Amino acid sequence: KQEVTQIPAALSVPEGENLVLNCSFTDSAIYNLQWFRQDPGKGLTSLLLIQSSQREQTSGRLNASLDKSSGRSTLYIAASQPGDSATYLCAVSWPPNTGNQFYFGTGTSLTVIP
Amino acid sequence: DAGVTQSPTHLIKTRGQQVTLRCSPKSGHDTVSWYQQALGQGPQFIFQYYEEEERQRGNFPDRFSGHQFPNYSSELNVNALLLGDSALYLCASSRDRGGTAFFGQGTRLTVV
Repeated sequence: KQEVTQIPAALSVPEGENLVLNCSFTDSAIYNLQWFRQDPGKGLTSLLLIQSSQREQTSGRLNASLDKSSGRSTLYIAASQPGDSATYLCAVSWPPNTGNQFYFGTGTSLTVIP
Repeated sequence: DAGVTQSPTHLIKTRGQQVTLRCSPKSGHDTVSWYQQALGQGPQFIFQYYEEEERQRGNFPDRFSGHQFPNYSSELNVNALLLGDSALYLCASSRDRGGTAFFGQGTRLTVV
């Protein structure tokens, strides 16, 4: 069974600070890992996708890393802005012979204080 | 490209009724998955459709059923609604077996 855990559950930082969100998963045989952003009451916006053969992906101020062997991923946000305030969800596609059946963590709620 | 679109956006139903939710995938995507997200929780996988067939199913009862049409759009049906079915229902589309999954804005279902 695949279980995804995200730490911390909530985070509050002043604007401009760099921050790291953590995600761990119990079965390392994943197909890919995706980070999403969710604003209150809204759907999910894809931020970064890391294939199982990759170690990291970058998009603008965001950098996501993947260590499959240890079952961990991190999302690094540089120079945080109030507009980054949202819930960030980590999801793993598992088992690896399927297409994008995601297991989600419960998310990290981020508040960036102006 | 309109991305993934879901309808309706909000819905209120009475316990015991039946409901149908709809999803149009992103252009070029052939795989549609449905998720249920309870308040404060991460989305839970319901099932996935590919080539008009249910390919995978999560731990949900048979009251939850679906359909995929030849144009890849999909429906989620829930029978005999329970109060616990109140949630945000999300549809995701992707190209088969990989690539970025794109989610719709969801349908907020409230069962009273």
